[in-house]
Amino acid sequence: QVQLVESGGGVVQPGGSLRLSCAASGFKFSDYGMHWVRQAPGKGLEWVAFIQSGGNKYYTDSVKGRFTISRDNSKNTVFLQMNSLRAEDTAVYFCAKDPRPTVTTITGWFDPWGQGTLVTVSS
Amino acid sequence: QSVLTQPPSASGTPGQRVTISCSGSNSNIGSYYVYWYQQLPGTAPRLLIYRDNQRPSGVPDRFSGSKSGTSASLAISALRSEDDADYYCAAWDDSLSGVVFGGGTKLTVL
Repeated sequence: QVQLVESGGGVVQPGGSLRLSCAASGFKFSDYGMHWVRQAPGKGLEWVAFIQSGGNKYYTDSVKGRFTISRDNSKNTVFLQMNSLRAEDTAVYFCAKDPRPTVTTITGWFDPWGQGTLVTVSS
Repeated sequence: QSVLTQPPSASGTPGQRVTISCSGSNSNIGSYYVYWYQQLPGTAPRLLIYRDNQRPSGVPDRFSGSKSGTSASLAISALRSEDDADYYCAAWDDSLSGVVFGGGTKLTVL
């Protein structure tokens, strides 16, 4: 079955960088777009970024210019490179699969989700 | 302040029917599909409803979604203790060019 496993979270100082990974299995990874969604402690969900199967990338305004989403289809892995981190980036970061193959549009359709990895930005 | 508005809390007793609302605008719910997610404590969200009112396989038919204009609703019938969770709505917003979520509704099964 489809499985998504995030890694790379940890504690980082403000202004620092971190690279998250999401290893996928159970489906033809190269055919599907992948999302990152985050959840600050005790707060709601916030969409962060999306990468199409063809490689086009989209970001929420608050991370544009600081975060970069990428994918390695040979390793069935999607990444989130996070630079210039701020305290407000502290959250659990989930990766999620878009269930529609080779689409070019974004919806709010995420299925399934990984278990998440915690990023804490603090001095 | 979330773009989609949900009540922060809801409650019901086992067997009851509860409804959770999600209010938006023409740039999101009024023009695009709505999706609903359930998040049990300490776990990742799980898709409950897609494309306004479709249930993925494995989701009980006690869960149903509907939409009218710029508002959507999630109904849970025959409430069970395991439905005690947070519920979120989501949709694409073309004014913001991003996916927007509701602030979440904490459902308590009394």
